[in-house]
Amino acid sequence: EIVLTQSPGTLSLSPGERATLSCRASQSVSSSYLAWYQQKPGQAPRLLIYGASSRVTGIPDRFSGSGSGTDFTLTISRLEPEDFAVYYCQQYGSSYSFGQGTKLEIK
Amino acid sequence: QVTLRESGPALVKPTQTLTLTCTFSGFSLSTSGMCVSWVRQPPGKALEWLALIDWDDDKYYSTSLKTRLTISKDTSKNQVVLTMTNMDPVDTATYYCARSQGGNHIDYWGQGTLVTVSS
Repeated sequence: EIVLTQSPGTLSLSPGERATLSCRASQSVSSSYLAWYQQKPGQAPRLLIYGASSRVTGIPDRFSGSGSGTDFTLTISRLEPEDFAVYYCQQYGSSYSFGQGTKLEIK
Repeated sequence: QVTLRESGPALVKPTQTLTLTCTFSGFSLSTSGMCVSWVRQPPGKALEWLALIDWDDDKYYSTSLKTRLTISKDTSKNQVVLTMTNMDPVDTATYYCARSQGGNHIDYWGQGTLVTVSS
């Protein structure tokens, strides 16, 4: 089973700043089968990025994903107030598993 | 328009069996590539994938929970059912059903249903 470790656990930033979220896998994720989701309180997760770097239609281009193998990154170039939420990575190359999440909070 | 909705008991007692139903629309589980998963989230904690069933009736389970889980589908009713045996308070969580295609990323989620395990 592939274990995903996200860092940091909490990231405190201000609107307009750049956010960099990390997701590290315990073994290589085949074909970059990695997705990123955003979750706000009381809501279901929302898909942002799939295939490590493909942005879902309608997701602002300030969100970008990168990485391969065991190291993946979600970058939000300029934080907007609505971006403060919890972010999860998920791998689907070998069964499914999720990371433990990174909480992005307003500084 | 794809929608999924979970239904089931809000409260179950320890040792009981939980049965949850996912009713969906906007796609068919008889279409090649379609999959439905169950994912849970304890209050304030992370997402945990539980099980997946695909259009070909292949079933996949979380390694840690596979002895307690059964997933099934009723294609004619557009429903997927998850049963989890021997419920414990640590199983208290919001349970989501969700769609994926070809075993890939999840593209649609239900709103989730909170299940509390307590005597």
